[in-house]
Amino acid sequence: LAKTTQPISMDSYEGQEVNITCSHNNIATNDYITWYQQFPSQGPRFIIQGYKTKVTNEVASLFIPADRKSSTLSLPRVSLSDTAVYYCLVVGSGSARQLTFGSGTQLTVLP
Amino acid sequence: KAGVTQTPRYLIKTRGQQVTLSCSPISGHRSVSWYQQTPGQGLQFLFEYFSETQRNKGNFPGRFSGRQFSNSRSEMNVSTLELGDSALYLCASSLLVAGAQETQYFGPGTRLLVL
Repeated sequence: LAKTTQPISMDSYEGQEVNITCSHNNIATNDYITWYQQFPSQGPRFIIQGYKTKVTNEVASLFIPADRKSSTLSLPRVSLSDTAVYYCLVVGSGSARQLTFGSGTQLTVLP
Repeated sequence: KAGVTQTPRYLIKTRGQQVTLSCSPISGHRSVSWYQQTPGQGLQFLFEYFSETQRNKGNFPGRFSGRQFSNSRSEMNVSTLELGDSALYLCASSLLVAGAQETQYFGPGTRLLVL
């Protein structure tokens, strides 16, 4: 079962790039990583997903090193509305898979 | 396409009662997963259903159960409620196609308060 570890909180200023790292030391070969954003009293919202190397979409980039024991979510030029909790999720495959969320990182963007 | 819907959105129960929560997945999605979110424990996986069968189960007592219907809608039931069951219960759906990466899409959650 892939346990994940994230920093509890991070602060940033508007316009800066923010990098949030998630450790998943015992990730399995077929597991992949998904990142979510969650605002208070709402369900998590999908941000980005990847298996290895780098993935980029219109809102974020995801960097996964060759050993896949960690992943880094990169948010370019954050704004106040990016203040939220960010979770990484290691998604296993197969009939015995578990869906393991990290503890979440509270990102606070300051003006 | 409509997102994942959950009903009710808010619920207040007393200890010892039971509760049933409902989740309607995105049209075409056949996998439904349930999570419990509390301030102390974060997001914890409860169980996953696919094609009316429980596919995986997290580490929760037997008081927590679920089922999935032929139209992929799912319900979860908590019997003999305890104060510690107060939480946001989240449902997520996905296509779950063999060999492909899967993306789970979450509903807004049901906030359960046990008094």
